[in-house]
Amino acid sequence: QSALTQPASVSGSPGQSITISCTGVSSDIGRYDHVSWFQQRPGGAPKLLIYEVTKRPSGVSNRFSGSKSDTTASLTISGLQSEDEADYHCCSYAGSGTYVFGTGTWVTVL
Amino acid sequence: QVQLVQSGAEVKKPGASVKISCKTSGYIFTNFWMHWVRQAPGQGLEWLGQIRPTTDFTQRFRGRVTMTSDMSTTTVYMELSGLTSEDTAVYYCARDGGQYGDSEHWGQGTLVSVSS
Repeated sequence: QSALTQPASVSGSPGQSITISCTGVSSDIGRYDHVSWFQQRPGGAPKLLIYEVTKRPSGVSNRFSGSKSDTTASLTISGLQSEDEADYHCCSYAGSGTYVFGTGTWVTVL
Repeated sequence: QVQLVQSGAEVKKPGASVKISCKTSGYIFTNFWMHWVRQAPGQGLEWLGQIRPTTDFTQRFRGRVTMTSDMSTTTVYMELSGLTSEDTAVYYCARDGGQYGDSEHWGQGTLVSVSS
């Protein structure tokens, strides 16, 4: 299956809100409410932010929220902080026990 | 606490195979799926497959990937055969949490470099 499509980069000023989109097709995001989001800082392993479209693991800031409409999922970061500067990756279940990741988005805090 | 510790960096020639280990601790080994994910330099993440330890039931994305587990050492392995330069990447193991896509625990990553 093809990678989910994300914008290469998104930027915002401290305190602002930004939204990262993740576009799939009818056989992944469009069919399943199983979308996850991961944050990855340079040189580090990914960190789970959101799973099942909207759920946050314990310890993850409520500044991170997820949503989905049709074949597009979105991650919103509210109250942008300098520490949010990182790569963000979406991931969707694609059926038959398989998953597909997005192309990744670099977030710059201006 | 849950820990996933991967084996060290590897340098391989094209056509060879590589086997990476992911030593687990801090949880019941048989209760959770383990995913394998890779990241080529400057690229996004790519899902490779997942394994349910001990049943060794696997679901994989690519035919060249073989995943196995060893209950005696609570270690999961991923072997990739027929290496090409395009397989140069950091490889991660990531433990499932019981729901779809909730991989909260990741290994530190293993760099595999393929070069003639």
